[in-house]
Amino acid sequence: QQQVKQSPQSLIVQKGGISIINCAYENTAFDYFPWYQQFPGKGPALLIAIRPDVSEKKEGRFTISFNKSAKQFSLHIMDSQPGDSATYFCAAKGRGGYQKVTFGTGTKLQVIP
Amino acid sequence: KAGVTQTPRYLIKTRGQQVTLSCSPISGHRSVSWYQQTPGQGLQFLFEYFSETQRNKGNFPGRFSGRQFSNSRSEMNVSTLELGDSALYLCASSLGQGSLNEQFFGPGTRLTVL
Repeated sequence: QQQVKQSPQSLIVQKGGISIINCAYENTAFDYFPWYQQFPGKGPALLIAIRPDVSEKKEGRFTISFNKSAKQFSLHIMDSQPGDSATYFCAAKGRGGYQKVTFGTGTKLQVIP
Repeated sequence: KAGVTQTPRYLIKTRGQQVTLSCSPISGHRSVSWYQQTPGQGLQFLFEYFSETQRNKGNFPGRFSGRQFSNSRSEMNVSTLELGDSALYLCASSLGQGSLNEQFFGPGTRLTVL
């Protein structure tokens, strides 16, 4: 019940295109859904996060879409750039303290010029 | 403000040995979480410490343990190392607990078990 399923495992997008990564969860107790970006040799860094009372959140070229009834959320990267090439993880965390963060398996994005 | 630091960055051990990894959180952060990252399993939660107490634990054997000191620095220990323990061990700190406390990750310690 704690699992977060992420797809695709890898993604190749041309510069200027839209990158879309999808995640699905089962546990309805999750109430915080962050996305992390990880470059080789670095730890993950928070990119953008959403709570289930909002259906969409946009920060620059990055947008999270959230479908509470379907228990799915996705990351859209508009106008993808070679500098966006990284591994992206979706995650979910339950409400309240003492709740661990459950991560998806990651999507390796490559943006080609 | 300095980020999360982890030492050492790289470590090579042999099966059966034990290892201690260290994490210094961002100044003022009181919560420290540890994760194991492997290509096959992704990021898996090990445990979380807050105010020197373990608040949450993942599904790892008792060979994995940790502690947190009064200055919020944390250490993680793995005893009787196995080949499968080879991984990137990540530490993350946050101000406190609760869903909206952003976690900041360190660069990790790459452990190789031979």
